[in-house]
Amino acid sequence: SQQGEEDPQALSIQEGENATMNCSYKTSINNLQWYRQNSGRGLVHLILIRSNEREKHSGRLRVTLDTSKKSSSLLITASRAADTASYFCATGLSGGSNYKLTFGKGTLLTVNP
Amino acid sequence: NAGVTQTPKFQVLKTGQSMTLQCAQDMNHNSMYWYRQDPGMGLRLIYYSASEGTTDKGEVPNGYNVSRLNKREFSLRLESAAPSQTSVYFCASSEVGGETQYFGPGTRLLVL
Repeated sequence: SQQGEEDPQALSIQEGENATMNCSYKTSINNLQWYRQNSGRGLVHLILIRSNEREKHSGRLRVTLDTSKKSSSLLITASRAADTASYFCATGLSGGSNYKLTFGKGTLLTVNP
Repeated sequence: NAGVTQTPKFQVLKTGQSMTLQCAQDMNHNSMYWYRQDPGMGLRLIYYSASEGTTDKGEVPNGYNVSRLNKREFSLRLESAAPSQTSVYFCASSEVGGETQYFGPGTRLLVL
């Protein structure tokens, strides 16, 4: 399985601190994505990094990808209470005309005011 | 645009009952997906439809059927519900071959 595995499973920080979450996967991928899920809601796409990219930024988000180690990290800088959510990495792989995502189990981030 | 909508939001079934979960998207996307999410687990793909008229099995298809009614709608049917199917079900859509998926708010299903 190419399923991503996030680490840590849970993370609790103070507002203003940085939060780092890691994801490891097993097989080759076309890209890796990060999604956020607020409690009781659907998933929201945050950022996508392709297999030939090493780093990508979007606002307070920074994602890195190391395909040699089959790992990725998501950094949220200057965290806010509103960042409290579960964060999932998802590995993407194309097969013919199909494209599928495989999700990890997620990291629960709690940002304390 | 409403994005991806799902009905119902919550449902309680008895073992052996059947029901259909509805999903619709207004983004003119070609591909649609059904996932289930269980506590402490990521999302697992049940079925997907790469384009109108096609459907394929995902990781956990047993006990489910799907219908791609038209480009907008993709339904998931439980013919004979089992307690193991208690879960939160999410529908998603993307452009054909598209990488970013857009999710609905989910349907919470409890099978007693």
